[in-house]
Amino acid sequence: DMQMTQSPSILTASVGDRVTITCRASQTISNYLAWYQQKPGKVPKLLIYKASSLESGVPSRFSGSGSGTEFTLTINSLQPDDFATYYCHQYNSYSTWTFGQGTKVEI
Amino acid sequence: QVQLQESGPGLVKPSETLSLTCAVSGYSISNGDYWDWIRQPPGKGLEWIATISRGGILHYNPSLKRRVTISLDTSKNQFSLKLNSVTAADTAVYFCARHVFTEPVDYWGQGTLVTVSS
Repeated sequence: DMQMTQSPSILTASVGDRVTITCRASQTISNYLAWYQQKPGKVPKLLIYKASSLESGVPSRFSGSGSGTEFTLTINSLQPDDFATYYCHQYNSYSTWTFGQGTKVEI
Repeated sequence: QVQLQESGPGLVKPSETLSLTCAVSGYSISNGDYWDWIRQPPGKGLEWIATISRGGILHYNPSLKRRVTISLDTSKNQFSLKLNSVTAADTAVYFCARHVFTEPVDYWGQGTLVTVSS
């Protein structure tokens, strides 16, 4: 079964920091990798798709990179609104889906 | 604008069957695309449950496959989830969602909390 290992599980940062979250797939997933932001009681919000494509309306301080099995989400100049939980998600439409365990970005 | 709305009992007894429906508006499920169920236990991460397409493609989370049934009802423009033999570990917010082939979820329902308890 496909596994997505996301790290760290908790990330403590300050406003203005640059932060990086990593997601590793147990098998190659090409670039079928998305990143979501979720705040308590809310629906996940799509930030990045196809590993590095920025969803419309998402601030440019968010960026994604990687392919194959290693992927990263970077937030440049962390803003107060960015404190949330982030999930990676592999969405190979030919097979099963998997989410990472989540990274909580806290002050 | 595509809208999805989950409905179903908020409380299910252990060993019984959890049944949820997702009503779709603003878009015909007969047009195609893929329809998903995803859940999130309180305070925990997202877990994909299953996906169905109008063309009959079905994908299941291997850890849930033997307990899950997912179906489409094009006449009512909705799709459904049944999860049998539930335990407290199945307590979660259940989301229905849509995605286009080779793309991630683009529309989500607001989610519905289902608690498994006697």
